[in-house]
Amino acid sequence: DPKIIQKPKYLVAVTGSEKILICEQYLGHNAMYWYRQSAKKPLEFMFSYSYQKLMDNQTASSRFQPQSSKKNHLDLQITALKPDDSATYFCASSQERQGGTEVFFGKGTRLTVV
Amino acid sequence: SQLAEENLWALSVHEGESVTVNCSYKTSITALQWYRQKSGEGPAQLILIRSNEREKRNGRLRATLDTSSQSSSLSITATRCEDTAVYFCATDAWGGRALIFGTGTTVSVSP
Repeated sequence: DPKIIQKPKYLVAVTGSEKILICEQYLGHNAMYWYRQSAKKPLEFMFSYSYQKLMDNQTASSRFQPQSSKKNHLDLQITALKPDDSATYFCASSQERQGGTEVFFGKGTRLTVV
Repeated sequence: SQLAEENLWALSVHEGESVTVNCSYKTSITALQWYRQKSGEGPAQLILIRSNEREKRNGRLRATLDTSSQSSSLSITATRCEDTAVYFCATDAWGGRALIFGTGTTVSVSP
């Protein structure tokens, strides 16, 4: 059974539209993250949350907004979508947000912006 | 520039052979992790090796860490077709609040 569920698996969006990527983890972890992977760049850290609070934001654009409605949820809202946003977005979690901790990843949402 | 980098883009081996992926990093670390990503999946951790360790094993996997040269290696022995994947090294950044991944090495294992 997947312990980190991401929905949808595939998503096609029109330039300028808004989408929400869903993530739920059932590992009982306190820290959750979003990473992005595109053909042009390696896995890229975007956000970290700890106990539902935003701790780190390495995303330059305010078009990306994480949302945590529950301890084990961390959705990602993306507004004014651009073709360059096309990538696979991975949700991840770990027991604690500290060095030397194993991070578990979901299977990703592949976003294509046309 | 990347804080962690694998040294080769791709490696090809035949089943049963051994393969080694190398990684160099640029910052002081508390630990270095090796991840594997199979097609269509998210990365999965293979080995975590702490800065005070020189070697760590996990079944057919062996990781080494040389903090003086800021490098690490991951060796896989008796490779199988299912070992075909992209292998990443990853280091902690910002006091461990995030993982910084290298660009990855694609390992292809053929029958």
